[in-house]
Amino acid sequence: AQSVTQLDSQVPVFEEAPVELRCNYSSSVSVYLFWYVQYPNQGLQLLLKYLSGSTLVESINGFEAEFNKSQTSFHLRKPSVHISDTAEYFCAVSLGSGTYKYIFGTGTRLKVLA
Amino acid sequence: DAGITQSPRYKITETGRQVTLMCHQTWSHSYMFWYRQDLGHGLRLIYYSAAADITDKGEVPDGYVVSRSKTENFPLTLESATRSQTSVYFCASSDMIRVSGNTIYFGEGSWLTVV
Repeated sequence: AQSVTQLDSQVPVFEEAPVELRCNYSSSVSVYLFWYVQYPNQGLQLLLKYLSGSTLVESINGFEAEFNKSQTSFHLRKPSVHISDTAEYFCAVSLGSGTYKYIFGTGTRLKVLA
Repeated sequence: DAGITQSPRYKITETGRQVTLMCHQTWSHSYMFWYRQDLGHGLRLIYYSAAADITDKGEVPDGYVVSRSKTENFPLTLESATRSQTSVYFCASSDMIRVSGNTIYFGEGSWLTVV
């Protein structure tokens, strides 16, 4: 069975410091990988995704994630966070077969401190 | 570009009442989904629909009913609301095209409190 694990439920970090949010997955078939961000009282927004090709993917607001097949990980990083990055971040996988099935992690709450 | 709209955004209802949460998408996506979000459980799939008139159960379907007579609408009904159904409900849609990785897009959410 497929699963997604986000080990850190909360990550506090000071403004302008780097951050890494960890995501590990388990799947016997190929998957697509996603990070979604949820700001307070809003829906989930797609932050970035890995489908194929370069294992490093970037978002428009400075986040990046690297697909590591051997470690089955897709960690999210940002070299310098802002107060506005405070949100909940969800890692997700979609099975590569094109089925409806999405599997979400339980989320990591990033709190950026002034 | 409206995307996905959910209504109502906030609702308080009493135990035993019927409640319908509406979802409308403007992208003509074939797939639509209903998730509920609860602390400690993350997102759990309630129902999904692959096309108009085709629906199927997700992980936690009990107590919910869906219909999809038109591609753009996917209402979720709680036939007799219970306190355990207090949650945030998200509607989502996807074109389920492999080249886009089956990217899924979410609405803003409906906060439901059952008292």
